[in-house]
Amino acid sequence: DAGVTQSPTHLIKTRGQQVTLRCSPKSGHDTVSWYQQALGQGPQFIFQYYEEEERQRGNFPDRFSGHQFPNYSSELNVNALLLGDSALYLCASSTGRTNEQFFGPGTRLTVL
Amino acid sequence: AQSVAQPEDQVNVAEGNPLTVKCTYSVSGNPYLFWYVQYPNRGLQFLLKYITGDNLVKGSYGFEAEFNKSQTSFHLKKPSALVSDSALYFCAVRALPTDSWGKLQFGAGTQVVVTP
Repeated sequence: DAGVTQSPTHLIKTRGQQVTLRCSPKSGHDTVSWYQQALGQGPQFIFQYYEEEERQRGNFPDRFSGHQFPNYSSELNVNALLLGDSALYLCASSTGRTNEQFFGPGTRLTVL
Repeated sequence: AQSVAQPEDQVNVAEGNPLTVKCTYSVSGNPYLFWYVQYPNRGLQFLLKYITGDNLVKGSYGFEAEFNKSQTSFHLKKPSALVSDSALYFCAVRALPTDSWGKLQFGAGTQVVVTP
C-alpha cells in the first residue's frame, strides 16, 4: 500500500502565477482533504472533496480551487499567487465519518 | 466554532523520563480528538484518536492520551521518552454532529526535544 502520495515535492513560483498540486489517496479511501501549513503553524483546512464535489470549505479565498477525479485523486489549484501562499500543502485521505485522516508528505510551495 | 490550544511551544525532557504534551479544546457537541506527529520535512503521522468509550486511549509508538471532558483536555503522554520522539506534535479536533465531514482544527503544535 503506497499510502497518500503528492506531487511535486517542491515547487517555486513567482507572484501572479498559477500552480496545480496533485494528490493520490490511500487505497480504499474516497475522501480527500487539503491543508495549508505555513512555517511554524499548524495545518489550516482548505477544503474537502467527496464524490467529485467540494463538500466542505475553510476560510480560503476563491483563488484556491480543487477537483476530484473518478479514481478519487485530487488537484489543488491556486491562482494569482501571493507571497503569503508560500507554505507546505498537505493532502489527507480518509473514508467514513470516524476514521482518521492519513496525510501525504506534502508539497513545499515557495512564491518569490 | 471549534478550537484547539497547545499551551507549550516546546517541551524538553531527558531520555527515559515521562513525556506529556498538553492539549485543550473547545467544540459545540461531542469531539473527535486526534494526535499527529510531524518529523522535519515530512507530512503528519497519525498517533491516536478518541471517538468514544474509554477515556484512556493507546496509540502508536507507546503513546497514550487521556480524554477529560470536564477539563476539555486531551493530553498526550509517554511513560519513557526516546531521543527519536523528538518531533513536532499536533493536537486536532473535529466536532460532531455539526461538523461531520472531516474538517480538522489543529493546534499550533508543540516541539518535543528529548535529550540523551
